[in-house]
Amino acid sequence: QSVLTQPPSVSAAPGQRVTISCSGSSSNIGNDYVSWYQQLPGTAPKLLIYENKKRPSDIPDRFSASKSGTSATLDITGLQTGDEADYYCGTWDSSLSAAVFGGGTQLTVL
Amino acid sequence: QVQLQASGPGLVKPSETLSLTCTVSGGSISSYYWSWIRQPPGKGLEWIGYIFYSGSTKYNPSLKSRVTISLHTSKNQFSLTLSSVTAADTAVYYCAWVGDNHAFDLWGQGTMVTVSS
Repeated sequence: QSVLTQPPSVSAAPGQRVTISCSGSSSNIGNDYVSWYQQLPGTAPKLLIYENKKRPSDIPDRFSASKSGTSATLDITGLQTGDEADYYCGTWDSSLSAAVFGGGTQLTVL
Repeated sequence: QVQLQASGPGLVKPSETLSLTCTVSGGSISSYYWSWIRQPPGKGLEWIGYIFYSGSTKYNPSLKSRVTISLHTSKNQFSLTLSSVTAADTAVYYCAWVGDNHAFDLWGQGTMVTVSS
């Protein structure tokens, strides 16, 4: 059971938009920055979003994110088959004194 | 460009100690935080702990009694030891760099460790 809650899977057609949610509490998302990671099949996770909504320079602007209260969302527009991956949210939990992740969301591009 | 590479034995016997090393290239280990994260087969990510370049550490409370992360500055490496392992410790172990932006900026390729007799 992960501290942060994500839907196990989402799907959409190429070119469409998908949103992945990440729900937490006042001791984690409500208290610190959220980051998002993309894990392509058989590879290591890669940083997609940091400090709630900022993108590393190599991440296209099709990927965007936001945070409100104790929840965060990742939006992916113009879906491509190459976006098929597992997506994880992460943050720091001040009660646990530990970095925590969501359980991951598998994105299928139909 | 900074790169991280985790290495170590792929098979460890139950009750023994798991030892892994992360080699950092293209940059100095003498700054920022360095972390270990693991992923059991088919499951999600679990943070193990981190070490600051000064040597201070922080561990996941669920693993704290069994974990040690150390810095080896002269070799530009940091390491993980996990004692008294069981099958539940079977996972891909990733090393990662935590920069200024409160996130795991860069990950190594991961190394699979199986706990089995």
